[in-house]
Amino acid sequence: DVLMTQSPLSLPVTLGQPASISCRSSQSLAHSDGNTYLTWFQQRPGQSPRRLVYNVSNRDSGVPDRFSGSGSGTVFTLKISRVEAEDVGVYYCMQGTHWPNAFGQGTKLEIK
Amino acid sequence: EVQLVESGGGLVRPGGSLTLSCVASGFTFNNAAMTWVRQAPGKGLEWVGRIKTRTDGGTTDYGALMRVRFTISRDDSKNTLYLQMNGLRVEDTAVYYCSPWGGAYWGLGTLVTVSS
Repeated sequence: DVLMTQSPLSLPVTLGQPASISCRSSQSLAHSDGNTYLTWFQQRPGQSPRRLVYNVSNRDSGVPDRFSGSGSGTVFTLKISRVEAEDVGVYYCMQGTHWPNAFGQGTKLEIK
Repeated sequence: EVQLVESGGGLVRPGGSLTLSCVASGFTFNNAAMTWVRQAPGKGLEWVGRIKTRTDGGTTDYGALMRVRFTISRDDSKNTLYLQMNGLRVEDTAVYYCSPWGGAYWGLGTLVTVSS
């Protein structure tokens, strides 16, 4: 099975400052159909997960443009250009290329 | 508006069985592969499994820990996804979410508590 490893697991950030979360997979997530099925989710406290980015870098409708995804192969990054208070929560990467799909451990973003 | 409403959770004793349901609306259910994801209290997200569309064969795939005890099925006539769980263990205690494959939409989840 593919293992997804996120870092850091805890991310204290000052309001207005950038933040970056890394996600590494144990195998390449490039699919034979040409897509790379790497997704980023946000889970605010007490809420269900919300998809932010799919296929590495495609932002979902309604997601602020301060969120951006990048990467290829086995190394991926979610960046927040300027952290706002509403960004507090846990962020997960997930691979959908290989079966079974798998999530990273989660990165808890908090405000300093 | 897309809605996913999970139900069927509750308290069950170790070794017991439970069947969860997820009623979907706002999208073409029979065209969507569907997944179950769970989250133990205070823990991260864990992929349970998925079922393909009937057109794609309706086959299922499961996480390693769920293959033997869990069964995912669907009834496209009712826009409903199911998760049958047998031989429940304390470590199966979690909120169970359904979502179209890809994770674009999520319900509020249903809590399953396995305890004696």
